[in-house]
Amino acid sequence: SAVISQKPSRDICQRGTSLTIQCQVDSQVTMMFWYRQQPGQSLTLIATANQGSEATYESGFVIDKFPISRPNLTFSTLTVSNMSPEDSSIYLCSVEKGLAGPSNFQETQYFGPGTRLLVL
Amino acid sequence: KNQVEQSPQSLIILEGKNCTLQCNYTVSPFSNLRWYKQDTGRGPVSLTIMTFSENTKSNGRYTATLDADTKQSSLHITASQLSDSASYICVVSASGTYKYIFGTGTRLKVLA
Repeated sequence: SAVISQKPSRDICQRGTSLTIQCQVDSQVTMMFWYRQQPGQSLTLIATANQGSEATYESGFVIDKFPISRPNLTFSTLTVSNMSPEDSSIYLCSVEKGLAGPSNFQETQYFGPGTRLLVL
Repeated sequence: KNQVEQSPQSLIILEGKNCTLQCNYTVSPFSNLRWYKQDTGRGPVSLTIMTFSENTKSNGRYTATLDADTKQSSLHITASQLSDSASYICVVSASGTYKYIFGTGTRLKVLA
């Protein structure tokens, strides 16, 4: 399994400012994922972060708005830049780890507790 | 277009009763289907994961089924408890990618 912590757990920010969210995993993982979950909506993948390379962004998300760092195999940060009220959301960090069963090997996805962001 | 649809959108049941949540998907090529439970204010937690060859998987009082031919899955909760109140999310992944397509979830409320 994987235990993931995020900081801050929640924040209220003024428009035009930036917030950096930290994600810490209790074991080394190759890939980390950042999601956004807007109120009443499902999760949307923002980007995939590999250690030692630039993050890969999904359609609709750009590096200037959501810069990501991945300095080592257990840590990543997501910055929400120049915030507007539309950025109010829950931001979740996620990793994949292998799960060995009696007859197969599967990977399952673990999520952090999320960071609740409100932009005024 | 790859999509995952869940029904019902929300559900209220009495403690001790059973319920079944539905998931239909159009993801191709199919790799696996997962059900997650998301408590309010928490990240999703995996309940079950099924590949193409599996048609049922249980995790305690949770039983998931998969019909890969009709591209449908269900999550059955037996003898519900107050702690089952949460959102249940169906997630389908496509082969060869790290792309997960998330359903919008079913909000379940269990009443005493």
